[in-house]
Amino acid sequence: ETGVTQTPRHLVMGMTNKKSLKCEQHLGHNAMYWYKQSAKKPLELMFVYNFKEQTENNSVPSRFSPECPNSSHLFLHLHTLQPEDSALYLCASSRRAGEVTDTQYFGPGTRLTVL
Amino acid sequence: QKEVEQNSGPLSVPEGAIASLNCTYSDRGSQSFFWYRQYSGKSPELIMFIYSNGDKEDGRFTAQLNKASQYVSLLIRDSQPSDSATYLCAVSLNAGNMLTFGGGTRLMVKP
Repeated sequence: ETGVTQTPRHLVMGMTNKKSLKCEQHLGHNAMYWYKQSAKKPLELMFVYNFKEQTENNSVPSRFSPECPNSSHLFLHLHTLQPEDSALYLCASSRRAGEVTDTQYFGPGTRLTVL
Repeated sequence: QKEVEQNSGPLSVPEGAIASLNCTYSDRGSQSFFWYRQYSGKSPELIMFIYSNGDKEDGRFTAQLNKASQYVSLLIRDSQPSDSATYLCAVSLNAGNMLTFGGGTRLMVKP
């Protein structure tokens, strides 16, 4: 596979469930990102990992827990979510976070519905 | 005050016309500017990036940057119905390359 892949593509979960979103990039990049896209709202940056180290947490509630075991994989662990967390969750990667010329490429997203 | 602003649209243009999409940003220190296209239900797809004042052309697309006026625009020449999508402007507001996105402009190209 090429580019940035995400699984699952769709997820429905109850507020008491625990689930995980997975992202994998095949571009040889060193930075990975999680974004949230809600209806009628701009894309919101959630987390940034650069060379496996978390460099940005944009005041995200603790019910979202990221994990980056290596530069190619990124997870978002979900627990006790709220209905307002329903959104499209997008993963992106780039060569190296922090460079002016760096460019981010997005995966297809996971459409999450919290009941 | 929003940091990156776009008119939400919809912007409607006839097929073959030039579509002009605009974006303003608040931070004068912004260094990198990106345009993404997002079809309904899909993820953003990079169209162009620009770092220097002036114009940058790529096929039917031209990005224009004016740092003094703090705006960046995207021109689409010979618009096609397949260009109908939401266009997102993204700005790197600091050297850490954390992108801030505008709300997007929905473009409709009518045959």
